[in-house]
Amino acid sequence: DIQMTQSPSSLSASVADRVTITCRASQSISTYLNWYQQKPRKAPQLLIYAASSLQSGVPSRFSGSGSGTDFTLTISSLQPEDFATYYCQQTHSTPHTFGQGTKLEIK
Amino acid sequence: EVQLVESGGGLVQPGGSLRLSCAASGFTFSNHWMHWVRQVPGKGLVWVSRINSDGIITDYADSVKGRFTISRDNAENTLYLQVDSLRAEDTAVYYCARAAHTFDFWSGYYIWYFDLWGRGTLVTVSS
Repeated sequence: DIQMTQSPSSLSASVADRVTITCRASQSISTYLNWYQQKPRKAPQLLIYAASSLQSGVPSRFSGSGSGTDFTLTISSLQPEDFATYYCQQTHSTPHTFGQGTKLEIK
Repeated sequence: EVQLVESGGGLVQPGGSLRLSCAASGFTFSNHWMHWVRQVPGKGLVWVSRINSDGIITDYADSVKGRFTISRDNAENTLYLQVDSLRAEDTAVYYCARAAHTFDFWSGYYIWYFDLWGRGTLVTVSS
C-alpha cells in the first residue's frame, strides 16, 4: 500500500497569512493526488485534483503543486472560513490512501 | 439538487450486520464509479471500497475484505455497503463518494478524484 504523510499535523495561522501544507507519498504517484477540506461534523469537500487542478467553485487562493512523491497545498491568503482539516489522497492505486490530515487553527 | 444521502447506520453488537445505503440524485448515477470512505470520529479518512459504474468491478481495503460487500442498483440510483461480522474497530462514520476523472495525457490514464460526498451515516459497534 502507498503511505501518504502530511506535514505539519497541525498549524496555527492568522487571517491573511500564506500557508503551505505538504504531502509525501511512499512511492511515486505521478500527479494522482487530490486535496480535500473537512470542517467539523461535515463531509470532506474536494479542493484540488490531479495535484494542481482547482475544483470548480473553489476560491483561487487555493493552489496545488508537485508530482512524483512530493506535493504541496498552498492557501495564499487565509480567510476565516479556511480554518479546517486538510487531507491529501492518492488515487494511483487501491487502497486509495489518505494522509493523516493537517488541522489548520486560528492563531 | 445534486446530492448523496447515506442511511442505514446504527448501533449493532460485535458480530452483527448492517446494510448501508447511499441514495443519489441530481446526476446520472449509472455513469459513475462510487466509493465508500469511513472516519472514526476525531480521526482521519480511510478508504473502504469501490465499485465501477455497472457493478462488475469491486475493490476492498484489506481490513474489510471478506466481511463487507459493495453493490449498486442503477435502476434505483442507490449504492450499498453490506457490513457483516462487525468489530469494534469498524465504528465510524461511513461516507459514500462519487468518483470523477480527468485524462492524464502524459501517462495515458485517468486520474480519479472524489467530487461529491454524502453527509455520512454513523455505525457504532458495541455490546
